[in-house]
Amino acid sequence: GAVVSQHPSWVICKSGTSVKIECRSLDFQATTMFWYRQFPKQSLMLMATSNEGSKATYEQGVEKDKFLINHASLTLSTLTVTSAHPEDSSFYICSARLTETNYGYTFGSGTRLTVV
Amino acid sequence: AQSVSQHNHHVILSEAASLELGCNYSYGGTVNLFWYVQYPGQHLQLLLKYFSGDPLVKGIKGFEAEFIKSKFSFNLRKPSVQWSDTAEYFCAVKGDSWGKLQFGAGTQVVVTP
Repeated sequence: GAVVSQHPSWVICKSGTSVKIECRSLDFQATTMFWYRQFPKQSLMLMATSNEGSKATYEQGVEKDKFLINHASLTLSTLTVTSAHPEDSSFYICSARLTETNYGYTFGSGTRLTVV
Repeated sequence: AQSVSQHNHHVILSEAASLELGCNYSYGGTVNLFWYVQYPGQHLQLLLKYFSGDPLVKGIKGFEAEFIKSKFSFNLRKPSVQWSDTAEYFCAVKGDSWGKLQFGAGTQVVVTP
């Protein structure tokens, strides 16, 4: 089946530093990937839609300069949290939409970011 | 604006009990509907999905869901739960005019032995 690999699974960084999270589709090409943020005991909140070869589409309230998204190839999207602060600590999840169908979505295992 | 609501935030039940989780959405057009499960410490996994055809959908691990268009609902059911069904369950909806999934708030299900 379609697999999305997300790396790292957890990361601790100091305030002010930047962190890059990778999302790879392992056995399929994903023209569209999605980045979510999940707060404890809450649902997934869509942050942005990442389109291969073009700029990401950010949801309202998400700072595009803080959460940089790059989707340079059909199998890789990256999310960079720039100048991280403790309030950015969260669980970040990527998802890819299968190109064969509009109905299939597969999720990465998530990245637990802790900013100290 | 479109929305997805899950009625129960937390459900506790005993093994062998029946489970039903409610999901309603607000959108008048054609929808694709999904239920995902997130086991403790694991990533989201698809339980089942509906996009057309028989409104009663069977998924993995004995789960099923019924799409009732008139009620804008897609409730998840399992006749007899097991301890291993302890997890968080998310309903998600994609409307025909959207390119993205919208998730409900999730329901934490705890099955006691």
